Amino acid sequence: DQQVKQNSPSLSVQEGRISILNCDYTNSMFDYFLWYKKYPAEGPTFLISISSIKDKNEDGRFTVFLNKSAKHLSLHIVPSQPGDSAVYFCAASARNAGNMLTFGGGTRLMVKP
Amino acid sequence: EAGVTQFPSHSVIEKGQTVTLRCDPISGHDNLYWYRRVMGKEIKFLLHFVKESKQDESGMPNNRFLAERTGGTYSTLKVQPAELEDSGVYFCASSQGRVSGNTIYFGEGSWLTVV
Repeated sequence: DQQVKQNSPSLSVQEGRISILNCDYTNSMFDYFLWYKKYPAEGPTFLISISSIKDKNEDGRFTVFLNKSAKHLSLHIVPSQPGDSAVYFCAASARNAGNMLTFGGGTRLMVKP
Repeated sequence: EAGVTQFPSHSVIEKGQTVTLRCDPISGHDNLYWYRRVMGKEIKFLLHFVKESKQDESGMPNNRFLAERTGGTYSTLKVQPAELEDSGVYFCASSQGRVSGNTIYFGEGSWLTVV
């Protein structure tokens, strides 16, 4: 059973608009969440993270929101750029699980010029 | 500074053969991880080394998979004998410390196709 789910396999957005990528999790022991970006034929690249003690973390055009009661997090990209087109993975870790990351299935974002 | 490097980048082998994947972590990173992505699904954890010791190998699918990290530097992941369902991308990653305070850097992956 998947503990981290990204229910939208793909998302298409116009350049300059906001991209919102969603992620749901089931394990209440998760206390740290990350977003990774992946281009074809490359490994995942760390984008932004958030601890469970926070509900928002912002880094430039990227903001991650965490709703613990709903076990939901989202990544907002504003404004979206064509270079943001990639697969985005949500990942989570639990304090009692060492450094293991549990990944979602990924969402392919396409930003149209 | 060199990133996480993996070799080979692509490998095609027949069912029943053996394949050994190699990972060189970022210099100074004690933590080394193996993950894999099968058939475009989610990336799944295989195991975690701290230096030369296996910290967590709960994700290893079966005893056909053997990971080593002699001397706490590079690591190898051997699949013997390979089966069709082993096809996928095997990612290696490394970090200095705990995930919550340190970035985990991934390599570009080793694509394995078993025919």
